[in-house]
Amino acid sequence: KAGVTQTPRYLIKTRGQQVTLSCSPISGHRSVSWYQQTPGQGLQFLFEYFSETQRNKGNFPGRFSGRQFSNSRSEMNVSTLELGDSALYLCASSPGTSGRAGNEQFFGPGTRLTVL
Amino acid sequence: AQSVTQLDSHVSVSEGTPVLLRCNYSSSYSPSLFWYVQHPNKGLQLLLKYTSAATLVKGINGFEAEFKKSETSFHLTKPSAHMSDAAEYFCVVRGHASGGSYIPTFGRGTSLIVHP
Repeated sequence: KAGVTQTPRYLIKTRGQQVTLSCSPISGHRSVSWYQQTPGQGLQFLFEYFSETQRNKGNFPGRFSGRQFSNSRSEMNVSTLELGDSALYLCASSPGTSGRAGNEQFFGPGTRLTVL
Repeated sequence: AQSVTQLDSHVSVSEGTPVLLRCNYSSSYSPSLFWYVQHPNKGLQLLLKYTSAATLVKGINGFEAEFKKSETSFHLTKPSAHMSDAAEYFCVVRGHASGGSYIPTFGRGTSLIVHP
C-alpha cells in the first residue's frame, strides 16, 4: 500500500505570497492532520479533517486554512506568508477519527517551505 | 490539559550499548501514548503505542517502552544500539473519546547519537 504523499517536497516563497500544500493519505484513510515543525517550536498541530469536515484545530492564526476533498486528499493554504512560516509541514493520515483510542497516524515526508 | 516532557534533548551512546530515552506525561485521563522516530529529512515513523492494554509495549526494530502510571512515565528502551538508530525521537500523548484532548501533544524530541 502506498504511504502518505505530500507535494511539493520543497518550496521557496517570498513574504506576502500565499502557498498551497497538498497531501494524499493512505488509501482507505479518512482522517488527515497537518503539523508544523520548526526548530524553535517543535511539532505543532495545525488541524485535522475527517470526511471533509474540520474536527480539531490548533492555535494558529486564520492565515492558515485547510480543506479535505471527497477522496480524502487534503490541502492546506497559508496566505500572506511571513518569515516565521518557514518550516517543515507534515501531513498524517489515519483510518478513523482522533476519538478512537490508540488511533495511530502515518506521516508523510513533509513539505519544506522557505519564506524569503 | 495534557503535556509531555522528554527529559533529555540529546542522548549519546556507543553502538551495542543500551538505549534509554525518557518521557514523562501529564494527563487527567488515561491517555494513549506513542513513540515516533524521525530520520533526517524524513517524516515520522511510529515505533510503538500504548492504549491501556499491556503496560510493556514492544515495537519495531527492537524498541520497547513501559507505561508506569504511578510515575507518569513512558520511557523508551532498546538493549543494543545500532548505528541506524541515530535519529530524533518523539514521545506523544493523546486523549480519546474516553477523555482528554484529541489533539496530540508532542514532546520536544530527543536526538539519539550513536558512536561506533
